[in-house]
Amino acid sequence: AQKITQTQPGMFVQEKEAVTLDCTYDTSDQSYGLFWYKQPSSGEMIFLIYQGSYDEQNATEGRYSLNFQKARKSANLVISASQLGDSAMYFCAMREGLSNDYKLSFGAGTTVTVRA
Amino acid sequence: DVKVTQSSRYLVKRTGEKVFLECVQDMDHENMFWYRQDPGLGLRLIYFSYDVKMKEKGDIPEGYSVSREKKERFSLILESASTNQTSMYLCASSSMDGQKASTDTQYFGPGTRLTVL
Repeated sequence: AQKITQTQPGMFVQEKEAVTLDCTYDTSDQSYGLFWYKQPSSGEMIFLIYQGSYDEQNATEGRYSLNFQKARKSANLVISASQLGDSAMYFCAMREGLSNDYKLSFGAGTTVTVRA
Repeated sequence: DVKVTQSSRYLVKRTGEKVFLECVQDMDHENMFWYRQDPGLGLRLIYFSYDVKMKEKGDIPEGYSVSREKKERFSLILESASTNQTSMYLCASSSMDGQKASTDTQYFGPGTRLTVL
């Protein structure tokens, strides 16, 4: 079964508007971490934001915020005030448990195109 | 800043060739990872290593091997390249401290786009 599901293959957003990228996850662990990465056309994966399963507050990093709904097992990324430079592919990822392997499971990604 | 470098951005090889993809990180990270990225599939883990000379299979290790002789360097080897190994390959590294969320982050290199003809 897929551990991370991103149901939106592609999205268009108008410059200066907010956009929400969906991510649902599947785990039986109580302790886990959720990550969002951005991949511009250059190819490099850029870390954006992290949410731990025990964190009570939703994570925020500048224009990025994570809408964490534990009971629904969702961790949606919200980008506020979109900029042309936000056009990229976005990946949701999860690290399960406290094992030493530190593996991440990734979703299929969502391509965001910001229109001027 | 964490720096992860990969030996090539683009590589074209022939079927049956032995291919080496090199990855170097400069942050003294214990963990290193090799992923391949294909459209619609996201990133899939090939192999990872949490120490020198240690390696663990990921989700899709078939057709690949790895080598980690030094802490900063993690090599991915395609013993006999095949056309279905045409893909984007991404290397990543992370530290071992699981107590701090920020240190769990994996830092990625720029990727190598490999084409096998």
